[in-house]
Amino acid sequence: SQQGEEDPQALSIQEGENATMNCSYKTSINNLQWYRQNSGRGLVHLILIRSNEREKHSGRLRVTLDTSKKSSSLLITASRAADTASYFCATPTMNYGGSQGNLIFGKGTKLSVKP
Amino acid sequence: DSGVTQTPKHLITATGQRVTLRCSPRSGDLSVYWYQQSLDQGLQFLIQYYNGEERAKGNILERFSAQQFPDLHSELNLSSLELGDSALYFCASSSPGRWIGGLFFGEGSRLTVL
Repeated sequence: SQQGEEDPQALSIQEGENATMNCSYKTSINNLQWYRQNSGRGLVHLILIRSNEREKHSGRLRVTLDTSKKSSSLLITASRAADTASYFCATPTMNYGGSQGNLIFGKGTKLSVKP
Repeated sequence: DSGVTQTPKHLITATGQRVTLRCSPRSGDLSVYWYQQSLDQGLQFLIQYYNGEERAKGNILERFSAQQFPDLHSELNLSSLELGDSALYFCASSSPGRWIGGLFFGEGSRLTVL
């Protein structure tokens, strides 16, 4: 079952513009993670935000978390062609034994940045 | 480079066959996770091993099994393969101790069942 659901499914922007992706989840969480996947490649961890945090920054990335709305957003500022990838949110599930690495992923947002 | 190594990168086989996918985690990581990515199901957690012991099971079929060896590398065995098993299979590892970050994923093994 999908815990996180990203929105939009696809996003096409010009280089230099900002890209915002949203994620909604269903159950209580203690953290939410964002990953990037270049086409057919492995996932790369971008950022983790804990449930007691509202906002976190890492370089050109800004993540917000609203636990009351069970939602998160990922903002990429001043996007570059190299940011073209799929972006996934993921949350740990306690269903399989409680390890933080047992993640439920959303379906992802496919971002295309045109030069 | 995440430091997680997966082999083979690509594998084509026939229905009914059995394959083994191999994963070497990052140096020092004790946990290994297996994920399946398909167009239908997206990314799904299959199974986790920690220091040689099975720690958690997700949506793993009974035809699939895994193990982690004393040197911490892991193998995912897929048997009686069906067309629907065609997918990207990822291995990931994480640091021991307090959880401070995300998973480190390998580049995946792309399995095609014909």
